[in-house]
Amino acid sequence: DTAVSQTPKYLVTQMGNDKSIKCEQNLGHDTMYWYKQDSKKFLKIMFSYNNKELIINETVPNRFSPKSPDKAHLNLHINSLELGDSAVYFCASSRQQGSNTGELFFGEGSRLTVL
Amino acid sequence: GIQVEQSPPDLILQEGANSTLRCNFSDSVNNLQWFHQNPWGQLINLFYIPSGTKQNGRLSATTVATERYSLLYISSSQTTDSGVYFCAVSGNRGSTLGRLYFGRGTQLTVWP
Repeated sequence: DTAVSQTPKYLVTQMGNDKSIKCEQNLGHDTMYWYKQDSKKFLKIMFSYNNKELIINETVPNRFSPKSPDKAHLNLHINSLELGDSAVYFCASSRQQGSNTGELFFGEGSRLTVL
Repeated sequence: GIQVEQSPPDLILQEGANSTLRCNFSDSVNNLQWFHQNPWGQLINLFYIPSGTKQNGRLSATTVATERYSLLYISSSQTTDSGVYFCAVSGNRGSTLGRLYFGRGTQLTVWP
């Protein structure tokens, strides 16, 4: 069983379209994240949710909107896609331990290509 | 945020060689992880090691939190060890809480 699973794994779309990436974890974790990996392989956090509550919202265009229907799911919706949104988006989860994030486990990534 | 510097940026080895990867960070941390990103792009957890030493097969890691660095040792390297090795840390105060800061990675290539 995949612990953190994302769909789709590959997404090719035109500029201006709207797309969503879904993430599910079966680890019983209470915190989920979206990270973005750019073309130079640099990984940076975008959002973090703890028990469905938005905890971290980095400087991300408001075209990106995360949604957490329950603590096992965190989806990412992107409006009006731009060329610069092309990247690999990773979902992750962890069990919060007080102020400690705990060990993060990542999904396999979703490669978004905007043409 | 926390600055994370990894060295070397690139490393080329012959199969069977040993290597040491270094991670320096700029602030106190309560979480440090090493990941291997394989050629298929998957991020594989290697170690969760905010302090101390751990070993897993041919790999071991040491974190000296008071001196703000961590080392990843790879012994008897194999071609399957190729990929990018990332160090990531999370702080224990203020805005550094709750988020992993990644280094730029070490690109390892192991030749047969």
